[in-house]
Amino acid sequence: AQTVTQSQPEMSVQEAETVTLSCTYDTSESDYYLFWYKQPPSRQMILVIRQEAYKQQNATENRFSVNFQKAAKSFSLKISDSQLGDAAMYFCAYNSRGQGNLIFGKGTKLSVKP
Amino acid sequence: GAVVSQHPSWVICKSGTSVKIECRSLDFQATTMFWYRQFPKQSLMLMATSNEGSKATYEQGVEKDKFLINHASLTLSTLTVTSAHPEDSSFYICSARGTGPGAQHFGDGTRLSIL
Repeated sequence: AQTVTQSQPEMSVQEAETVTLSCTYDTSESDYYLFWYKQPPSRQMILVIRQEAYKQQNATENRFSVNFQKAAKSFSLKISDSQLGDAAMYFCAYNSRGQGNLIFGKGTKLSVKP
Repeated sequence: GAVVSQHPSWVICKSGTSVKIECRSLDFQATTMFWYRQFPKQSLMLMATSNEGSKATYEQGVEKDKFLINHASLTLSTLTVTSAHPEDSSFYICSARGTGPGAQHFGDGTRLSIL
């Protein structure tokens, strides 16, 4: 069975600085998707970024980028120029191609200091 | 596009009553929807997979008679918590599988409080 591990329960960053959230996963599959979701206090699940395993190029979305290391089964999220609105829970998630449900890590609570 | 609407957003009811939560895909057809449960300060845990026109698939440990799922159309799945008790109080969130690669769209969730 696939598992997703987020080893940082909480992280803190100064406004305008850069922070990296870690995620590792375990799978025997070669084709899958990885995601980072943001959950603010409103508890909406907001898709931050998506990576397809067969693509070697790391995904980027404005201030958000990932470092996808397939062999190491690592998928970290880098947030550049952190803003107060980035404060939230961040969940790393795995999706097996052919199945639909997401497997989530335990989450990392990110605080942004002004 | 790809909007999922979930209602109600918050419900408070007495122990012993049944509560129905709706999950609708507004602008796309969703043959598969998912129901997750989230306790405070914890992650999302899959409860069941809802398939249009067939029986839901429940995860191990989830009582199918307690959490009734119906997916009667391509745009609507419902979760009914039957004879709810305080331990059923939680945040329930649905999602629908979209058409893009790995796409999954979430509703805004339902906060259920059983008194």
